[in-house]
Amino acid sequence: GAGVSQSPSNKVTEKGKDVELRCDPISGHTALYWYRQSLGQGLEFLIYFQGNSAPDKSGLPSDRFSAERTGGSVSTLTIQRTQQEDSAVYLCASSFQRVGANTQYFGPGTRLTVL
Amino acid sequence: EDKVVQSPLSLVVHEGDTVTLNCSYEVTNFRSLLWYKQEKKAPTFLFMLTSSGIEKKSGRLSSILDKKELFSILNITATQTGDSAVYLCAVEGRETSGSRLTFGEGTQLTVNP
Repeated sequence: GAGVSQSPSNKVTEKGKDVELRCDPISGHTALYWYRQSLGQGLEFLIYFQGNSAPDKSGLPSDRFSAERTGGSVSTLTIQRTQQEDSAVYLCASSFQRVGANTQYFGPGTRLTVL
Repeated sequence: EDKVVQSPLSLVVHEGDTVTLNCSYEVTNFRSLLWYKQEKKAPTFLFMLTSSGIEKKSGRLSSILDKKELFSILNITATQTGDSAVYLCAVEGRETSGSRLTFGEGTQLTVNP
């Protein structure tokens, strides 16, 4: 079946502009995660959605970052007033939420470059 | 704060060599440890480990977890150039609102012909 999809695959923007990144999770997966990976770094957790619960936003690096998940499916990560340090690959993952197990499946990512 | 440390950070070997990648962790309310292979952008799932001492195996790759000593190893035997990638270790801890993965920085493996 279809995996996690993300769009766009690449985004180049100018400093100060807003960007929106989209994630379509695997159908039926109740949990959705956003991560980012800067060059040469490990994955950094950003935000987590689980069903109808309030999202865990504890990983968002600043108030310029926000995310929504509409209808429990598609999610949009918005970065306002982008800065050069926002340049990274933004990865989305989804999973079933089961006690004792949580294998996350990743999308191909969006490479964001802020000039 | 949950923490995952992988070693070595990078490794260069020749085809046919066997490699062992290490992952140590500190996590609140451990649920599972996962290994991923990242070649381009998206990590792909390799193994999930929840119980100590039980080896998971897939072809030339195998992994085992030690929950007492808080570490896991990923072994790759008879390495091939296609094994070149970043290998990521992640641990799942149970948060009050659900669960979250904490990733290590990864081990960059290069297999030369």
